[in-house]
Order: sequence, then C-alpha cells, then structure tokens
Amino acid sequence: DTAVSQTPKYLVTQMGNDKSIKCEQNLGHDTMYWYKQDSKKFLKIMFSYNNKELIINETVPNRFSPKSPDKAHLNLHINSLELGDSAVYFCASGQGDYGYTFGSGTRLTVV
Amino acid sequence: GENVEQHPSTLSVQEGDSAVIKCTYSDSASNYFPWYKQELGKRPQLIIDIRSNVGEKKDQRIAVTLNKTAKHFSLHITETQPEDSAVYFCAPYGQNFVFGPGTRLSVLP
Repeated sequence: DTAVSQTPKYLVTQMGNDKSIKCEQNLGHDTMYWYKQDSKKFLKIMFSYNNKELIINETVPNRFSPKSPDKAHLNLHINSLELGDSAVYFCASGQGDYGYTFGSGTRLTVV
Repeated sequence: GENVEQHPSTLSVQEGDSAVIKCTYSDSASNYFPWYKQELGKRPQLIIDIRSNVGEKKDQRIAVTLNKTAKHFSLHITETQPEDSAVYFCAPYGQNFVFGPGTRLSVLP
C-alpha cells in the first residue's frame, strides 16, 4: 500500500501544452508539498498545502498551479509548458516537525 | 532568508572508510534536523533525524550530531559500503521547507 503515490511516472510533451500531475497520500498527514529537482539534483520547494490552504509559494511562475480537492490530494497543473520546465517533480507529505515521505517522482520532459 | 549549505558537495571514500557530511543553517529557531538519502533514480528517503534536545543519535552505521550554538549538524557513516553511494540532503525544519544542495557520496570498492 503506497504511502505517497504520484502519476504519471513519466511525461513527455510538447512546448505550449498544459499538463497535470496527480499526488495522493494515505498517511493522514496535514501538509503536502511539491518539489522540483533539476539536472543538478537541487530540490527546490514549489508549493506547500496545509489543510487545503496554501502556506508557502516560492518564486514559481504562475503557469504552475497547485490544486488540493482534499487533505489527501495535491495535484500540480502546469500551463504553457516551456523547455526549462523539464525536471523531476516530487510530491511529499509531512506532519509538523517530522520527516517527509516522498512520492516516486514524475520525470517531465518538454520537447 | 533561509540559507542551508552542505559540505562537501562531493565525497569519494574507499569501502570500509568513514564519511562525514556537514550541514549549516541560518535559522536559530530550527528544532528538527533530518537527513535524506537519494539513490540514483529513486525518491529521497529519511534515514536519520535529531531534535534540538539531544546532541547525538546513532542508528547502526549512521549517526547524526548537532551543534545548535554553531548552527550545524553532521551525518556520519562508518564502515561504508557500495550501497551507501547516493546523494544526501539535509533539511533543517523551520527553514521554509528548504533542502540543502546535496552531497554526492561515492563508495569505491
């Protein structure tokens, strides 16, 4: 029973397209996150949702929008994809000052 | 703003040797200090953590030490094995979910 699951695992799409990545956690955690990992392996926080409220939004283009229908889900929608959006996107969940549990990642390739 | 650094950025050791990775942070209010391991093509996974009321914690071959006054904590791996090869990240809590830049550890057979 996967704790944090995200789909799809791979996503190849053309520039200008709109795509979504889904994430679900069954750990009962209050907070969910989206991280972007570039080719240099830096993990950059994009969004954090706590009980369906956005509590942090880093300097991410507004083409990226998180959507949380409930506490167990945090989806990532991306409009007008650009080449620079190619990366691995990780969803994670956490509870207070305890460690995160990450999903398996979505490798996005924009061509 | 938040500032989380790791040293070294890359580390190569011979199998059986020890490895130490240091994480420095800027927010003195941080109270939880985890280390994550990311193997090639896999997700980051929590391997050990420490809270600000203790100075050292050990779990088999890995340990974490904390110096809150100096605002740094370190990951220690003893008797390294090839499967320890990975990228290691620190992520001190209270730094707005910022992760350190990572340290690539290579254990040479």
